[in-house]
Amino acid sequence: EIVLTQSPATLSLSPGEGATLSCRASQSVSSYLVWYQQKPGQAPRLLIYDASNRATGIPARFSGSGSGTDFTLTISSLEPEDFAVYYCQQRSNWPYTFGQGTKLEIQ
Amino acid sequence: EVQLVESGGGLVQPGGSLRLSCVASGFTFGSYAMTWVRQAPGKGPQWVSAISGSGTSTYQTDSVKGRFTISRDNSKNTLYLQMNSLRIDDTAVYYCAKGRYDGYPGWFDPWGQGTLVTVSS
Repeated sequence: EIVLTQSPATLSLSPGEGATLSCRASQSVSSYLVWYQQKPGQAPRLLIYDASNRATGIPARFSGSGSGTDFTLTISSLEPEDFAVYYCQQRSNWPYTFGQGTKLEIQ
Repeated sequence: EVQLVESGGGLVQPGGSLRLSCVASGFTFGSYAMTWVRQAPGKGPQWVSAISGSGTSTYQTDSVKGRFTISRDNSKNTLYLQMNSLRIDDTAVYYCAKGRYDGYPGWFDPWGQGTLVTVSS
């Protein structure tokens, strides 16, 4: 199965700063990479699908890039509600797999 | 508005069984693949199983093959997960989620609120 490795595990930043989260796949997933946001006590929420497409209702400060094995989620200017855990997921091969997450915390 | 409401979780002993349900509303249920994803306490999500819109195709992760069965009743807008031979490491919150496509899920949006399954003696 495809292993997704997210880095860093924890990212400490302040509101207004930019954030860059990484997801690396153990083999190529083409552009079939998805990003979710999860807040405590809530289900994950879709942010980005197929590497770079924002889901409906997701603010423009969220953007995704990459292809093959290396992907990035960028948040241009952090809002207080952006502090959460972010997961990547590949849909290229069965079984679908998730990364272990990056926790974005307030510095 | 799309809504997914799971039920059926609870405390069960190792080796026991549970059936989870997920009632969907706000979309044409039979036109979309559906999936179950679980999340153990403090861990990332793990995809468990998926089913096509018609129910003719199913997909499962290896760790649940032969123990869990996904099914759906499109007349009742309901997704199921029959879980047998439960193990302690099956303990998790189980989410149902709507897929993007008919034949296979693609990505998951939205997710239900989840139902907690605890396997313990």
